[in-house]
Amino acid sequence: QQPVQSPQAVILREGEDAVINCSSSKALYSVHWYRQKHGEAPVFLMILLKGGEQKGHEKISASFNEKKQQSSLYLTASQLSYSGTYFCGTESTGNTPLVFGKGTRLSVIA
Amino acid sequence: NAGVMQNPRHLVRRRGQEARLRCSPMKGHSHVYWYRQLPEEGLKFMVYLQKENIIDESGMPKERFSAEFPKEGPSILRIQQVVRGDSAAYFCASSPPLSSGYTFGSGTRLTVV
Repeated sequence: QQPVQSPQAVILREGEDAVINCSSSKALYSVHWYRQKHGEAPVFLMILLKGGEQKGHEKISASFNEKKQQSSLYLTASQLSYSGTYFCGTESTGNTPLVFGKGTRLSVIA
Repeated sequence: NAGVMQNPRHLVRRRGQEARLRCSPMKGHSHVYWYRQLPEEGLKFMVYLQKENIIDESGMPKERFSAEFPKEGPSILRIQQVVRGDSAAYFCASSPPLSSGYTFGSGTRLTVV
């Protein structure tokens, strides 16, 4: 079943923060996050395995709440290069194909 | 490391023709996935393959669509007797055996005229 992402779209000024949410009605084994720029391929950002860990770099991180079947992607001090559509992909068991949400379009303006 | 190679990048077919989309996974990746994307929409799963095996084709239309990943050579997604509704971007992704991030190819943009 397709995960639900929110918000659908967000506009930020450079330096502002954003949170993108991904929730599923099914128990999850892992959550992946990808970013896709217009006309390009999706690019892998990170994977979170069940266990509730938080991962990421300094300015882009994510959490996974296994009990709530939710993941959140945190973008801090956004840069123009962060613009794009962010997709979460969920895996119900190991080695099953990812099911992607509809995406969140993020626009960062100067 | 060349990444996931897809070709052609753009493909134009007339209604009723066949479309063949090719995908060479990253070196060391044994899992291949095909996804379809319509403008302003998400990635819709089509099929998951390993060498010489179709693991999950639950997202493939029952007719006209087929996929293979032979022992030698690239994975092929084949669409027979294309219709206008088949126009979309088709992305291939590959991954190593364990749950791991996917690497996507640049996609094939299919236009049916």
